[in-house]
This record gives sequence, structure tokens and C-alpha cells, in this order.
Amino acid sequence: EVVMTQSPATLSVSLGERATLSCRASQSVFSNLAWYQQKRGQPPRLLIYGASTRASACPARISGSGSGTEFTLTISSLESEDVAVYYCQQYGNWPPYTFGQGTKLEI
Amino acid sequence: QVQLVQSGAEVKKPGSSVKVACKAAGFTFKNFAITWVRLAPGQGLEWIGATIPIFDSTTYAQKFQGRVTISADESTSTAYMELGRLTSEDSAIYYCARESVPVSTGRSSFDFWGQGTSVTVSS
Repeated sequence: EVVMTQSPATLSVSLGERATLSCRASQSVFSNLAWYQQKRGQPPRLLIYGASTRASACPARISGSGSGTEFTLTISSLESEDVAVYYCQQYGNWPPYTFGQGTKLEI
Repeated sequence: QVQLVQSGAEVKKPGSSVKVACKAAGFTFKNFAITWVRLAPGQGLEWIGATIPIFDSTTYAQKFQGRVTISADESTSTAYMELGRLTSEDSAIYYCARESVPVSTGRSSFDFWGQGTSVTVSS
């Protein structure tokens, strides 16, 4: 199965600053990668699919990039509502779907 | 609007089974795969399996093969996930989610999620 590795485990960023989250796949998943945001006590919310396409209601300050095995989620200017755990998920090699262990984003 | 509403929290004894329901609304239920994911304390998201009613097809993660059953009832637009031989390591929040691409499974992200069902396994 494809192992997804996210880094860092915890990221501290000041309000208004840029946040960069990384996700690496153990083999190519092409552009079949999604990012989710999970706030405390809520289900995950789809942010990005196809590595770089924003889901509806994903803020424009959040963007995704990458292909193959290296992917990045960027928040251009951090807001307080962005505090959450972020997960990447691959769907290029199934079954199974696999997720990274998550990056906790804090201010 | 698309909604997935899950059944309530469960407390189970080790060795028993739990069945979680996921009632769908706002879309053509048979055309979309429903997938099940869990989040255990201190862990990341873990995929359990998925079913797509239009193909009457179900796929499970190897880790859960043999002790999980995922099913769907088109008449009530409800999907179910039953997990047996529970241990404390199965204590988690269980989510159902809709796979984004219609009439397909295994090739998409998950665009709508249920609210989650807490399952606690304790003697």
C-alpha cells in the first residue's frame, strides 16, 4: 500500500504569515491527492482534490501543489480559523485509500 | 443539500460487535460510493472500506477483512458498517463519507462527511 508521510507533525505560524505543509507518497500517486482540514470536534472537510483544485468553500488563501510523490498545501496568510489538523489522502493506488498522519497547525 | 447523518454513540464490551448507520439525503444514493473512515485517539485517519450500491460492490481494507461488514439499503438511503470482535484498539470516532466521483469507487476524494459516531470499547 502507499504510505503517506506528512511533515512537520506540528507547525506554529503567526497570524498573517505563510504556512507550508508537506506530504510525501511512497510511490507515485500522480495528481490523485486530496487535503482535508479537521477542526476539534468536527468531521474532516475537503479542501483540495486533484492535488491543486479547491473544493467549494475552500478559501482562496489555501492552495495545493505537487504531483507524483511530493505535495504541498500552502496557506498564504494565516487566520485564526485555520487552526486545525490537516491530512493528505491519496486515491491513485487503491485499495486501500491511505492518509498521512496529519499536521497540527497552531498559532 | 447533501447530508450524511450517523447513528449515536456506542459503548461496547470487548469481543462484541457494533453497527453504525449513515443515512444519506440530498443526492441519488445508489450512484455514489459511501466510504468508512475512523479516527482513533492519537492516531491519523484510517480507511476501513467502501460500498457502492449501483454495483452492489464492497471493498475492505485488508486490516479489517473478516471482521467488518459494510452494506447499503437503497430503500432507506442508509449505509451500515458493522465491526466485530471488538478490542480496546477499536475505540475511535467512525465516519461515513461520500466519494466524490459518481458511478465509481476507488478513485476519488470524499466531499461530504457524516458527523461521526463515537465507539468506546471497555470492559
